[in-house]
Amino acid sequence: DGGITQSPKYLFRKEGQNVTLSCEQNLNHDAMYWYRQDPGQGLRLIYYSQIVNDFQKGDIAEGYSVSREKKESFPLTVTSAQKNPTAFYLCASSMGSATGELSYEQYFGPGTRLTVT
Amino acid sequence: SQQGEEDPQALSIQEGENATMNCSYKTSINNLQWYRQNSGRGLVHLILIRSNEREKHSGRLRVTLDTSKKSSSLLITASRAADTASYFCATVESGGSNYKLTFGKGTLLTVNP
Repeated sequence: DGGITQSPKYLFRKEGQNVTLSCEQNLNHDAMYWYRQDPGQGLRLIYYSQIVNDFQKGDIAEGYSVSREKKESFPLTVTSAQKNPTAFYLCASSMGSATGELSYEQYFGPGTRLTVT
Repeated sequence: SQQGEEDPQALSIQEGENATMNCSYKTSINNLQWYRQNSGRGLVHLILIRSNEREKHSGRLRVTLDTSKKSSSLLITASRAADTASYFCATVESGGSNYKLTFGKGTLLTVNP
């Protein structure tokens, strides 16, 4: 059963703590993405990775960090430097040009709702 | 930065009616995509239209693109209660990274049975 999994679905943390959100895909996609969604808003890009061991900042990278050590995994760490971390976080993937023709269509996971108090 | 802006922000119709949502964007694009999001869930890709295309169909969906006006519309025909969701347009800017999608704020569609 192919797809993207994010865990956990709900996450609660105290202010000042770092927290890592998991994202795994078994679609053999090269590219992976992290977005943040606030109520009534569209998605904003935090980080993206075109290929293993490489990633680029998106529009709102401050206070976040990522790693891409394996093709299947792209974890996101929300650090204590992120001033307003409570949000819905979405991970996505797409077929990149490394394994064939670039596909612009992105496949999304179910999301993790992070609440920081 | 938000590239696309959907209009209206919310739309409520009866089952069987057609629903039209509009998207405006600011810069030249490579392609424009529409996604659907059920409440509290991830997004699902619906359709992609390239900058050299004017109209595209997929089942009950019809998308148009007017690059001179920097706008697109999504038409859902014969709507069903199950179409209730938020709909987002997203653009890939020409000359930018092919991997970056810029999303609008979405239209919340409610289809009443």
